[in-house]
Amino acid sequence: DAGVTQSPTHLIKTRGQQVTLRCSPKSGHDTVSWYQQALGQGPQFIFQYYEEEERQRGNFPDRFSGHQFPNYSSELNVNALLLGDSALYLCASSLAGRIRRNYGYTFGSGTRLTVV
Amino acid sequence: DAKTTQPNSMESNEEEPVHLPCNHSTISGTDYIHWYRQLPSQGPEYVIHGLTSNVNNRMASLAIAEDRKSSTLILHRATLRDAAVYYCILRGGTSYGKLTFGQGTILTVHP
Repeated sequence: DAGVTQSPTHLIKTRGQQVTLRCSPKSGHDTVSWYQQALGQGPQFIFQYYEEEERQRGNFPDRFSGHQFPNYSSELNVNALLLGDSALYLCASSLAGRIRRNYGYTFGSGTRLTVV
Repeated sequence: DAKTTQPNSMESNEEEPVHLPCNHSTISGTDYIHWYRQLPSQGPEYVIHGLTSNVNNRMASLAIAEDRKSSTLILHRATLRDAAVYYCILRGGTSYGKLTFGQGTILTVHP
């Protein structure tokens, strides 16, 4: 049973460019969340998608946007990259009815983004 | 979101029990206590969760204080593979699907 799959695993971009990261949720899951993890810090919530809509958003600027497709996979887009956007980007999936506080999420291994 | 406090780091020897503490003095009555761990170069992994009663699963045990202001994650026999950052997270009704991670506890396991 495949878990959460993220691509690419590593990426190097230049300041000001745009980037798209991809996530396939665990089989049977329909909800996808994205997190940003700076070096030495805990993951920070970016947003969550369910039924192809953004359901909840963290404290991130509009440069960060996302999309969920009918097959539940998701993309994270970041425009006008800054050096501070360098981080590990994590995708987590769950089943909609179980995103309440008594169920766990399945995380992918992340995409390491370096902005130079 | 209610805040949790964990020690920055802890050390253990292989095959010994490990008790990882978490303080959450502002916990509300409907907050669940979740634990995740993150191994090097991997995403976080769900470990266990509980509300009021102690919980056991194949990975660990969760002991919750009677007043719920603190909890302890117990690894019964630490292995080298348990070396990771352990996060204690509260999930309440207002947080919807969001997980709020703190700094976590870095667990080092010595052979």
